[in-house]
Amino acid sequence: ETGVTQTPRHLVMGMTNKKSLKCEQHLGHNAMYWYKQSAKKPLELMFVYSLEERVENNSVPSRFSPECPNSSHLFLHLHTLQPEDSALYLCASSPEKSSYNEQFFGPGTRLTVL
Amino acid sequence: SQKIEQNSEALNIQEGKTATLTCNYTNYSPAYLQWYRQDPGRGPVFLLLIRENEKEKRKERLKVTFDTTLKQSLFHITASQPADSATYLCALDEGYQKVTFGTGTKLQVIP
Repeated sequence: ETGVTQTPRHLVMGMTNKKSLKCEQHLGHNAMYWYKQSAKKPLELMFVYSLEERVENNSVPSRFSPECPNSSHLFLHLHTLQPEDSALYLCASSPEKSSYNEQFFGPGTRLTVL
Repeated sequence: SQKIEQNSEALNIQEGKTATLTCNYTNYSPAYLQWYRQDPGRGPVFLLLIRENEKEKRKERLKVTFDTTLKQSLFHITASQPADSATYLCALDEGYQKVTFGTGTKLQVIP
C-alpha cells in the first residue's frame, strides 16, 4: 500500500444524496490532487491543492466541492450527482518542492450514482 | 493541453519476451515524461521518469526512451512475467504541478 489512503473504497448513492470522499496522505507532501477515472478514458484532473490552497480547478461542475483543511487531508463533497458521474475517484499527493511531480495515488473510491 | 496516444488499448505477449509500449504526444515537448502501472481496482503506481535531455532510463527490467524529435516515448519490459500484466500509463508534464495522462495500454503476459 502507498502512503495515501482513501475512504470509502466503494460508494453507492442516489442523485439527491450528499456524501463526502476522504483522502489522507502520510508522506509529508504539500500538494494533493483529485482525479476522475472513467472506463476507456484517461485520468481527468479535477482539482489541485498546494499548501492547502486550490491552484487548479479543471472546469469541474459545482456539484463537486473540494476541501483541504490541512496538507494531509483532502475531501471531495458530492451533492446532486448524475449517473454519468459514476467513476473511480482517485486522490494523489506529490512533494511541493519536487520539480517532477511524481504522484502517489490512493486506491480510489468506486462511486456509483443511481 | 497535450494529446497523448498510447499505441494500443491491449497488448498480449508470451512470457519471457520483451514488451514494448508506445506513448506519442502531439504538442510541445514536455520537460519530462512519467510511466505508471495500474492494477485493476487500484490507483496508479509510479515506475519511471525520464527528462527531455535523457535518451534512455533503466530500472531493473524496465527501460524507457524519450525521443523529442519523434514526440514519442517507448517503455520496454524485458523477460516479461505474468506478474507484469497490468495497465501502463504514460504521463506528461504540463507545468506547475500538473501532469496529463494517456488512456493506458493493458498488457497481458501469457505463461
